[in-house]
Amino acid sequence: DSGVTQTPKHLITATGQRVTLRCSPRSGDLSVYWYQQSLDQGLQFLIQYYNGEERAKGNILERFSAQQFPDLHSELNLSSLELGDSALYFCASSVGERSEQYFGPGTRLTVT
Amino acid sequence: KNEVEQSPQNLTAQEGEFITINCSYSVGISALHWLQQHPGGGIVSLFMLSSGKKKHGRLIATINIQEKHSSLHITASHPRDSAVYICAAPGGGADGLTFGKGTHLIIQP
Repeated sequence: DSGVTQTPKHLITATGQRVTLRCSPRSGDLSVYWYQQSLDQGLQFLIQYYNGEERAKGNILERFSAQQFPDLHSELNLSSLELGDSALYFCASSVGERSEQYFGPGTRLTVT
Repeated sequence: KNEVEQSPQNLTAQEGEFITINCSYSVGISALHWLQQHPGGGIVSLFMLSSGKKKHGRLIATINIQEKHSSLHITASHPRDSAVYICAAPGGGADGLTFGKGTHLIIQP
């Protein structure tokens, strides 16, 4: 158990819908990262937050957004969902920058 | 952007064999990560290393910063080592990781 929690574990929704994925980092960790793992693209970095501020963006679509709250938990919002958004979404946390990252169990999103 | 290449993509070996997985990257980095992903999907961080060598139990990771190359070794391999091993390097923006495609390892009893 990495200490990073993600909810929900599984999510099934329809095209065009909007969902919110939640991540709670390990106690004391200030950085939160979101990653997407799909069959065709593999693992990809989406976005990083550090202590409430957006730190870096990767291959995140405009339909996706995220935020980190004062209690350091983070949410990833996915809207206007398409079939191709079906993937495993991982959250990871680290104590600071350039530190080891600890991964949550992931949320498996299925868009039908 | 960092390009991360891993080899081999697939590896099947017998229990007890010495296993080596290689990783190369294109841009100089502060540290390289080795991750393990089991069939259930969960990802575990094995190593983060910036120079030399690190060892945890039967796992050893080495890195050569000048050559932009890292290796993960498993000694006395066991069927429970069967998993996908992924190397990753910063380059996705700040600390966001860029990942190799992974090495699917199967250890047969």
